[in-house]
Amino acid sequence: LAKTTQPISMDSYEGQEVNITCSHNNIATNDYITWYQQFPSQGPRFIIQGYKTKVTNEVASLFIPADRKSSTLSLPRVSLSDTAVYYCLVDKNRDDKIIFGKGTRLHILP
Amino acid sequence: GAVVSQHPSRVICKSGTSVKIECRSLDFQATTMFWYRQFPKQSLMLMATSNEGSKATYEQGVEKDKFLINHASLTLSTLTVTSAHPEDSSFYICSALGVGIADTQYFGPGTRLTVL
Repeated sequence: LAKTTQPISMDSYEGQEVNITCSHNNIATNDYITWYQQFPSQGPRFIIQGYKTKVTNEVASLFIPADRKSSTLSLPRVSLSDTAVYYCLVDKNRDDKIIFGKGTRLHILP
Repeated sequence: GAVVSQHPSRVICKSGTSVKIECRSLDFQATTMFWYRQFPKQSLMLMATSNEGSKATYEQGVEKDKFLINHASLTLSTLTVTSAHPEDSSFYICSALGVGIADTQYFGPGTRLTVL
């Protein structure tokens, strides 16, 4: 299973764009990159998933360079409610399990 | 989107008793479900993989006789913590593997277990 590395924590201010980068140097050809958000005492919530280039949905964008050894989650115009832990995960299509890393604790300041 | 529920959301029990936690995929079928536990300020730790109609696969260090897993249908997996002790107090989270182009795990809301 590919190991991921993320910053332990980040601070930002309301209204700013936040970019969280994740390294996954050992990503395999059939691995997808998935990001989850977790609030205290809740289960992780799916944010976005991608394989290459750029993916965008209503809450975030995911940028993946050509070598796929890293990815960047971009949250546009964050608010206080975006304070959470964000996990970057790499999993094969139809693989049986996901191993969580430590995640990035994002703190949004007013 | 895909919804996974857990019941109960929180439970308090006495030491030595058994507790059952249910995990349901509400709007999709899941041949594979996963059970995690999470301690305060820590990441999720995978305990076991639950496959419908077969025995669960446990991660190293997880006692299969203590954490009984049953995946009797395509929408339900249960985790039973047997003879619970205070050190079993934790946040237990299940997830279900959705089937699609890029299969994604969808997580339940978690169950807070407190063993007195």
